[in-house]
Amino acid sequence: AQSVTQLDSQVPVFEEAPVELRCNYSSSVSVYLFWYVQYPNQGLQLLLKYLSGSTLVESINGFEAEFNKSQTSFHLRKPSVHISDTAEYFCAVSELGGGNKLTFGTGTQLKVEL
Amino acid sequence: DAGVTQSPTHLIKTRGQQVTLRCSPKSGHDTVSWYQQALGQGPQFIFQYYEEEERQRGNFPDRFSGHQFPNYSSELNVNALWLGDSALYLCASSPGHGSYNEQFFGPGTRLTVL
Repeated sequence: AQSVTQLDSQVPVFEEAPVELRCNYSSSVSVYLFWYVQYPNQGLQLLLKYLSGSTLVESINGFEAEFNKSQTSFHLRKPSVHISDTAEYFCAVSELGGGNKLTFGTGTQLKVEL
Repeated sequence: DAGVTQSPTHLIKTRGQQVTLRCSPKSGHDTVSWYQQALGQGPQFIFQYYEEEERQRGNFPDRFSGHQFPNYSSELNVNALWLGDSALYLCASSPGHGSYNEQFFGPGTRLTVL
């Protein structure tokens, strides 16, 4: 069975500073990888995903994540954060051939301060 | 396109009662998945429906059951509620159930068990 670890439960950062949210996964088969964002009192929104091809994937609002197979990681980064990025971020995986059932990490609360 | 909709938004029940939550998938989507998100945790997969049958199930007891209707909408039923069932219940729909099929989440139903 697969599992996802997000070691940082909270990450405080000042506006315009860079940030990295860490995600590691464990699986006996190949996986697809996802980052979801959850704003207060809302459902989950897909931020970006890795299915195949280039290991560096980008979102429309400046986030990027790099799939590292040898380190089984999919860390999320942004070079300059904005107040509006304050939210909970979840890393998730689905196993190839296992349908699109998602296994989530416990989440990282990103708090951007002025 | 209305996206994934869920009802009700909030619900308060007492221990031992039964509850039914409803989900309408995004237009064109035939697969519905349900997740439980306890406070401070990542979503946990409950089960998935397509072609009106339960196809995959997570580690949840039989008190959790569901249904999918011919129009692809779905219900989640929980019997004999206990305090630990208090959570945000998320519905997600997708245009198929392959590993690569992106899931779109609804805003969730907040269930409180007293």
